[in-house]
Amino acid sequence: DSGVTQTPKHLITATGQRVTLRCSPRSGDLSVYWYQQSLDQGLQFLIQYYNGEERAKGNILERFSAQQFPDLHSELNLSSLELGDSALYFCASSPSPGRRDTQYFGPGTRLTVL
Amino acid sequence: QQQVKQSPQSLIVQKGGISIINCAYENTAFDYFPWYQQFPGKGPALLIAIRPDVSEKKEGRFTISFNKSAKQFSLHIMDSQPGDSATYFCAASWTGNQFYFGTGTSLTVIP
Repeated sequence: DSGVTQTPKHLITATGQRVTLRCSPRSGDLSVYWYQQSLDQGLQFLIQYYNGEERAKGNILERFSAQQFPDLHSELNLSSLELGDSALYFCASSPSPGRRDTQYFGPGTRLTVL
Repeated sequence: QQQVKQSPQSLIVQKGGISIINCAYENTAFDYFPWYQQFPGKGPALLIAIRPDVSEKKEGRFTISFNKSAKQFSLHIMDSQPGDSATYFCAASWTGNQFYFGTGTSLTVIP
């Protein structure tokens, strides 16, 4: 158990809908990362937050947004969902952006868009 | 554009054999090269990592070989065991920056 929790574990929804994925980092970790894992694209970095502030952006679509709250949990919002958004979404956390050797991944949320 | 290229896509090894997975990168700014292990239904977990100032790092049965001039690095799993069957990802990053992952290698170790 990495100490990173993600909810829900599975999510099934329809095209055009909006969903919210939630992540709680390990105790003491201030940095949160979101990744998308799909069969054809592999593991892609989406966005990073550090202590409530956006730190880095990767291949995140404009339909997607995220935030990190004062209690350090983070939410990833996916809107106007398309079939191609079906994927595993992972959250990871680390004490700080520079601590790359302590980036721990959560168990993921499997999103299925029908 | 794939920043880190990984091969092979899948690998089948007999128990006790050596598993070798290769990765190549282009960006010379990368200064941290981790390998992650992922079991079905789980998130990736850091296995071993190397920085470019050393050519090899060994932790138990797992060894990273790093060739800075060729911009390549590889994971060697010695005495492979059925419990090693998983998907392995290489990655690269530079200080404070995002991770770029390879496409993954599905390893099956046959008893």
